[in-house]
Amino acid sequence: RKEVEQDPGPFNVPEGATVAFNCTYSNSASQSFFWYRQDCRKEPKLLMSVYSSGNEDGRFTAQLNRASQYISLLIRDSKLSDSATYLCVVTGVLNSGYALNFGKGTSLLVTP
Amino acid sequence: DAGVTQSPTHLIKTRGQQVTLRCSPKSGHDTVSWYQQALGQGPQFIFQYYEEEERQRGNFPDRFSGHQFPNYSSELNVNALLLGDSALYLCASSWAKGPYGYTFGSGTRLTVV
Repeated sequence: RKEVEQDPGPFNVPEGATVAFNCTYSNSASQSFFWYRQDCRKEPKLLMSVYSSGNEDGRFTAQLNRASQYISLLIRDSKLSDSATYLCVVTGVLNSGYALNFGKGTSLLVTP
Repeated sequence: DAGVTQSPTHLIKTRGQQVTLRCSPKSGHDTVSWYQQALGQGPQFIFQYYEEEERQRGNFPDRFSGHQFPNYSSELNVNALLLGDSALYLCASSWAKGPYGYTFGSGTRLTVV
């Protein structure tokens, strides 16, 4: 079983739609959680950190449920520019390091 | 303020050859991590360097080795290349103290033929 698993996608949604991505992680000792965005053939870029209390950044809302080992990302009022691959990322503390552990990613295509 | 710089951007190698990829971290960062991203997959952690030593290693064979220099720049070496090593190799720099502030380079796309 992979350490970080995401919805396979792809998600094709019209502009203005609300879309939700889910992610589960297997290591209960994981300490930090993120969503990264990756555009086609580009490097990953941090979208937002994810906290147990939930956090919001404009149209984006992230939630973490440590008991269920579940992370979510909600995008409201989708824009064409939101089309990208969304990567769920988890870290632990191993030998004093903080390697990022990525999921496979979920592809989002927002259409006019 | 320069971000993470990787070279070369593209590379074509033959099976069995060796390759060296280079990375200069973002100014102020002291830790360099390398990732391999195959087509359609998420990035997979190869190893991380801090204070010129390998601090963490992912599930990659010994054919993958690295080095960090006193100026924090880093190299990734892959020996005895296999077709399956074809991927985008990403370098990320950060501070040693935590997982925040990771900055990725634009990667080196390696094709093994």
